[in-house]
Amino acid sequence: GAVVSQHPSWVICKSGTSVKIECRSLDFQATTMFWYRQFPKQSLMLMATSNEGSKATYEQGVEKDKFLINHASLTLSTLTVTSAHPEDSSFYICSAIDPWTNSYEQYFGPGTRLTVT
Amino acid sequence: SQQGEEDPQALSIQEGENATMNCSYKTSINNLQWYRQNSGRGLVHLILIRSNEREKHSGRLRVTLDTSKKSSSLLITASRAADTASYFCAYPNRDDKIIFGKGTRLHILP
Repeated sequence: GAVVSQHPSWVICKSGTSVKIECRSLDFQATTMFWYRQFPKQSLMLMATSNEGSKATYEQGVEKDKFLINHASLTLSTLTVTSAHPEDSSFYICSAIDPWTNSYEQYFGPGTRLTVT
Repeated sequence: SQQGEEDPQALSIQEGENATMNCSYKTSINNLQWYRQNSGRGLVHLILIRSNEREKHSGRLRVTLDTSKKSSSLLITASRAADTASYFCAYPNRDDKIIFGKGTRLHILP
């Protein structure tokens, strides 16, 4: 099946700094990628939809100026958490759909655990 | 909220028993998927069932879909310790974005 990678797998940063998380589709081109956030013992919550070559669309309640998304190529989307605070500590997961397959399946990255101290 | 409901929230069973998890959703859908997540890890896709299917099997997994009741169930037969994980249903909302249910934490007791 298709593979999606994320980097880094975990990161610890100080409050007030910014952190960039990369999401790559390794063997297919993804015009659309999704970013989810998951707090401990909770489900995944969709944050935003990343569209190649255009602006991301954010879900209600997600601050677009705080969570900057860039989808500069068909295989890479980045999520930058700006001025991170401890409450931003979470598990961030991206996913992508292979538009060339007749499938609804989303391919998920392994996730990035962010800890803000 | 468009988030689906899953029950039970947590389930502990003896190894070898069957585990059943249920998912209810609110909108009309064209497919529903089930995922597994081991603690602190990424998601593993288990099975996808389309709206014109009522039941689907994959190894020890059996998924049913009742579109009239807007519900789905995941059955794991002959459970093993390695099945201990969280299980989520997921389905597209009106905007075709994938929404996850709240999940069921399954614990298989030795």
